[in-house]
Amino acid sequence: DIVMTQTPLSSPVTLGQPASISCRSSQSLVHSNGNTYLSWLQQRPGQPPRLLIYEISNRFSGVPDRFSGSGAGTDFTLKISRVEADDVGVYYCMQATQFPLTFGGGTKVEIK
Amino acid sequence: EVQLVESGGGLVQPGGSLRLSCAASGFTFSNYWMSWVRQPPGGGLEWVATMNQDGSEKYYLDSVKGRFTISRDNAKSSLSLQMNSLRAEDTAIYYCAGDRGNYWTFDIWGQGTMVTVSS
Repeated sequence: DIVMTQTPLSSPVTLGQPASISCRSSQSLVHSNGNTYLSWLQQRPGQPPRLLIYEISNRFSGVPDRFSGSGAGTDFTLKISRVEADDVGVYYCMQATQFPLTFGGGTKVEIK
Repeated sequence: EVQLVESGGGLVQPGGSLRLSCAASGFTFSNYWMSWVRQPPGGGLEWVATMNQDGSEKYYLDSVKGRFTISRDNAKSSLSLQMNSLRAEDTAIYYCAGDRGNYWTFDIWGQGTMVTVSS
């Protein structure tokens, strides 16, 4: 199984400042078809998860452009350019390159 | 409105059974892969099961294989999860989730239904 490791566990951020979350996979997420199925999801308190980014760097419909994804192979990053109050929650990376699908442990973004 | 609505959760004793349902609306359900994802209280997300559009492909988390069965009724735009031989560690919110964009992730989620396994 592919293990997804996220750091940090918690990220206290000042409003308007950037935040960065790292996600590392235990093996390459490059599929045999050449695509890399790494996505990022946000879960606000008391809500179901919501898709932010798919295939490393593609923003899902309606996601603000302050969210961006990057990386390749086994190392990936989600960046929030300027954190807003609405961004508080837990962020998960997820791989779908192979079954079983696996998630990172989550990173809690909170306001200082 | 595009939405998924789960039902069927509740309290069940260890060894018991429960059947979860997910009603889809606002999109052509039969075109998309569908899945179940769970989240234990205070915990992270865990993928449970996935099936393709016509049910010819099904995948399961190892710990639920042989106990859980995912199924769908495209005519009714409905996804189900039959859960047998339930254990305390199956206690979680169960989310129905779909991949409408063929992004190989979950771009639509239900609100979830709580399953509690306890004596």
